[in-house]
Amino acid sequence: GESVGLHLPTLSVQEGDNSIINCAYSNSASDYFIWYKQESGKGPQFIIDIRSNMDKRQGQRVTVLLNKTVKHLSLQIAATQPGDSAVYFCAENMESGGYQKVTFGTGTKLQVIP
Amino acid sequence: ETGVTQTPRHLVMGMTNKKSLKCEQHLGHNAMYWYKQSAKKPLELMFVYNFKEQTENNSVPSRFSPECPNSSHLFLHLHTLQPEDSALYLCASSQVGGIPRYTFGSGTRLTVV
Repeated sequence: GESVGLHLPTLSVQEGDNSIINCAYSNSASDYFIWYKQESGKGPQFIIDIRSNMDKRQGQRVTVLLNKTVKHLSLQIAATQPGDSAVYFCAENMESGGYQKVTFGTGTKLQVIP
Repeated sequence: ETGVTQTPRHLVMGMTNKKSLKCEQHLGHNAMYWYKQSAKKPLELMFVYNFKEQTENNSVPSRFSPECPNSSHLFLHLHTLQPEDSALYLCASSQVGGIPRYTFGSGTRLTVV
């Protein structure tokens, strides 16, 4: 079936350290995986995505790793800053009838300790 | 601003009221979505519109009625809601056929009393 879940509901990280947020998915047919960040009082904001035929993609201070063997996705944030404090969602997309269908995970709250 | 604007930001309504949520995007996207976000739950997809046509109704109760008059505007009409409908309602848009990167609005915080 379709399910996207996160291993940890809350992650506390010291400022300057690296953060790793994990996600498990179950749909092998998903073609894209996306990470969103949601700050308090705002809607989710796109961070980075990865196509299913890739295993790593890097952005500015963020890296997404995809392990299709174990159906695992992770978001790594380098040198975590207070502004990174937010809830992070992983999401998977599967094309359905020519249209996109995105399923979101529960979310992990990242708390950055100054 | 993300390019997706939702109004109102906050709404308190009684169970017998009728109200509407509005979403507007000027990103040139041709798909729009309504999501419900409750505490400690995944984002729940409610409705999907592609090219102004509703392509998905995710078993949403009839007390929620969507309307998409054009590809830039999306409404969610509410009537006889229940307290458990209290949540953050998020609108999103994307480009059909492109990479599934959704742009979300800031949401409407709905409280049903």
